[in-house]
Amino acid sequence: AQKVTQAQTEISVVEKEDVTLDCVYETRDTTYYLFWYKQPPSGELVFLIRRNSFDEQNEISGRYSWNFQKSTSSFNFTITASQVVDSAVYFCALSRSSPRETSGSRLTFGEGTQLTVNP
Amino acid sequence: NAGVMQNPRHLVRRRGQEARLRCSPMKGHSHVYWYRQLPEEGLKFMVYLQKENIIDESGMPKERFSAEFPKEGPSILRIQQVVRGDSAAYFCASSPQTNAAEQFFGPGTRLTVL
Repeated sequence: AQKVTQAQTEISVVEKEDVTLDCVYETRDTTYYLFWYKQPPSGELVFLIRRNSFDEQNEISGRYSWNFQKSTSSFNFTITASQVVDSAVYFCALSRSSPRETSGSRLTFGEGTQLTVNP
Repeated sequence: NAGVMQNPRHLVRRRGQEARLRCSPMKGHSHVYWYRQLPEEGLKFMVYLQKENIIDESGMPKERFSAEFPKEGPSILRIQQVVRGDSAAYFCASSPQTNAAEQFFGPGTRLTVL
């Protein structure tokens, strides 16, 4: 079975602070994908990143960076110099990268972290 | 190329009524997943369909819920005799193949049961 844990239910920071959102996962699959999504107050899901388990290089995209540590089964997300517009719920998710005909590649989501950035 | 479309975006039903949620996948996509997001929770997988076939419905409640993806037209998630606990956001995602690397989400339908 697959499981994603986001231990931080809510985080509140002041604008321009750096913030790290934690994600720990469990899977028996040897290959898999990890994802981060943003859900702003408007409610839609915004795709942020997909990481293949083969690729342990950290990634940076503007103010966003991701730290993938296979040894600790973690895929943490850092926002540098946070802004009010970053306020949202952030979800980490996991799926197989070798899908099965009987279950496809369904995503297993964590419970989300509510990030509030105050001015 | 239009993205995944869901309608209605908001749906209000009274207890006991039926709710029909529609999902039009991206052009060329023949795989659809439905997820439910209860208030203050993460998304939970409900059902996975390919054209004219239900492949995995292990996340669907056993009663009152059904899904279809006909040869022509959108995928439909149907909830009969809705109860207040069905109030949630329902998201669908589509992909061109089984590989989740290309799974695209719609904007969701927010169902409110009065």
